[in-house]
Amino acid sequence: QVQLQESGPGLVKPSETLSLTCTVSNYSISSGYYWGWIRQPPGKGLEWIGYIYNSGNTYYNQSLKSRVTMSVDTSKNQFSLNLRSVAAADTAVYYCARFGAGSGTYFDIWGQGILVTVSS
Amino acid sequence: QSALTQPRSVSGSPGQSVTISCTGTRSDVGNFNYVSWYQQPPGKAPKLMIYDVNKRPSGVPDRFSGSKSGITASLTISGLQAEDEADYYCWSYAGSSSYVFGSGTTVTVL
Repeated sequence: QVQLQESGPGLVKPSETLSLTCTVSNYSISSGYYWGWIRQPPGKGLEWIGYIYNSGNTYYNQSLKSRVTMSVDTSKNQFSLNLRSVAAADTAVYYCARFGAGSGTYFDIWGQGILVTVSS
Repeated sequence: QSALTQPRSVSGSPGQSVTISCTGTRSDVGNFNYVSWYQQPPGKAPKLMIYDVNKRPSGVPDRFSGSKSGITASLTISGLQAEDEADYYCWSYAGSSSYVFGSGTTVTVL
């Protein structure tokens, strides 16, 4: 079945850039679907970050738009998240996920998540 | 975009039914039939339970059902079981390619 796996540094210094990659297994990103990022600060709720199509079209949460860039690498079957100028408030578990078929307005497959801590 | 409003917690005894509400606005929940629900056990990733208001993915027990009236969507768990203890989040399309999550509800099985 389709699997997603987040990877990247678990510790990022304040003001630097958080960079994460999501590797997709058992499905070719080139074939379609939208792919997204969601985060969850410790003990808090889920926050949508944004999503991307295999063509590179991106859609970001307005609250993070000025600091977020997403990209897709179809040759590696991966998509990535860059979050600039991070602060302690960006400490969270970051999930990658796939938008489902049909209406395409829900996440049907999730990665296990990766904890990223922002600290000097 | 403010988070959709959910009760902080609900509880019930095994076998009972519980309902979680998710209140939005006429710009999101009230305007689109694109509400989904996610179950998140402690320390785990969320899992899709309901999509498009009332559709159940393959493998999700039919004890879980979804509905919507006006600006409020609801998730009902019938025949509550110990394994249903988790956090639950709603999620809605809000137009212009944007989305919003609910604030989350903790379900406790007494």
